[in-house]
Amino acid sequence: EAGVAQSPRYKIIEKRQSVAFWCNPISGHATLYWYQQILGQGPKLLIQFQNNGVVDDSQLPKDRFSAERLKGVDSTLKIQPAKLEDSAVYLCASSLDLGLAGGRVTGELFFGEGSRLTVL
Amino acid sequence: LAKTTQPISMDSYEGQEVNITCSHNNIATNDYITWYQQFPSQGPRFIIQGYKTKVTNEVASLFIPADRKSSTLSLPRVSLSDTAVYYCLVGDTETSYDKVIFGPGTSLSVIP
Repeated sequence: EAGVAQSPRYKIIEKRQSVAFWCNPISGHATLYWYQQILGQGPKLLIQFQNNGVVDDSQLPKDRFSAERLKGVDSTLKIQPAKLEDSAVYLCASSLDLGLAGGRVTGELFFGEGSRLTVL
Repeated sequence: LAKTTQPISMDSYEGQEVNITCSHNNIATNDYITWYQQFPSQGPRFIIQGYKTKVTNEVASLFIPADRKSSTLSLPRVSLSDTAVYYCLVGDTETSYDKVIFGPGTSLSVIP
């Protein structure tokens, strides 16, 4: 089974330039996540999609970051204009939706290899 | 939000059993506890998930006491390849959908 695909793996840009990252989740996974991971820190959730609807984007810097998931499959994350502090690895993950009677299970997340962004 | 607290780093020698404890004092009734492992230059990878008592798989064991305010990930006989960051997560049920929130994790270094 193919995993979560991300591209590009590496990107170097200058501040104030724009960049876009692409993610193709595992087939059949309804939920898609974008995380930002700064060196030495845990992943920080930027946005979560359920099919093509946004579930949570409370930590997405909306003045410069945007994301979309057209047709509930692929997703793109865009940064415009980039700042030095945006240097990080951008991780995409997907999961099935699970539910159990009487409880809620956090579905297993499958991560891609990430896209490493360096802003100079 | 159910927050978690775990040690920032741990060292262990090869062949030893490693136990990483995570505190989650305000865990909700419906929350599950999940652990992920992350190697350098890779995304996190699911290790194990549990609700109470003990869960074991081919990679690790998860011990959860009756009050569920903490949990312990146990890695038997670690090798150099177990050097990674380990994250403890607790399912967030405050909204209609699950939020998967990562903390800083525990950086495990296995020494030859």
